[in-house]
Amino acid sequence: DAGVIQSPRHEVTEMGQEVTLRCKPISGHDYLFWYRQTMMRGLELLIYFNNNVPIDDSGMPEDRFSAKMPNASFSTLKIQPSEPRDSAVYFCASSDTNPNTGELFFGEGSRLTVL
Amino acid sequence: GESVGLHLPTLSVQEGDNSIINCAYSNSASDYFIWYKQESGKGPQFIIDIRSNMDKRQGQRVTVLLNKTVKHLSLQIAATQPGDSAVYFCAENTGQSGAGSYQLTFGKGTKLSVIP
Repeated sequence: DAGVIQSPRHEVTEMGQEVTLRCKPISGHDYLFWYRQTMMRGLELLIYFNNNVPIDDSGMPEDRFSAKMPNASFSTLKIQPSEPRDSAVYFCASSDTNPNTGELFFGEGSRLTVL
Repeated sequence: GESVGLHLPTLSVQEGDNSIINCAYSNSASDYFIWYKQESGKGPQFIIDIRSNMDKRQGQRVTVLLNKTVKHLSLQIAATQPGDSAVYFCAENTGQSGAGSYQLTFGKGTKLSVIP
């Protein structure tokens, strides 16, 4: 079975440019999560969705970040404008159970470098 | 891998020996804990979980121990193999389970290196 699919795997962009990261969760999973991983801060939850509805976006660092889930099989994380401090690996994960008790399935990540 | 902290605690073990990775968690109200494994260039992968009403849980070659008194979690890997080399994260659910909210907080991780 296909796991969580993220694209692009790598992106290098210049400060001020718009970045869009994409995620396809595992079919049938009701929960979708966006995490960011950096050397300094480790893995941080940015936002999560349940049945395509954003439930908690308190981890989104600032208004430059936005996330959408237009349908059950697709989500985007957008950064506009991007800044060098946004450089990180961004992970999407999905779950088919109550996330308080269930396993998260992570994608391979999108490595973003902002110059 | 290069995506995790430069100053990660590192554990080096000989192939075939047992490994013990420790984790201190922060919230005494946390009721669910998970261990994840992250290989270089990949996303974290679930290993084993444990609820707060348990002290021990065993899987295949792995055992998780929970000591709520001192807020400590450990992962034991039996007969460590080269394929076990990775960064291991503990995670606690600090959300309010009854409210349906979610907040899985990951630790910084421990890098396990297996010496052939």
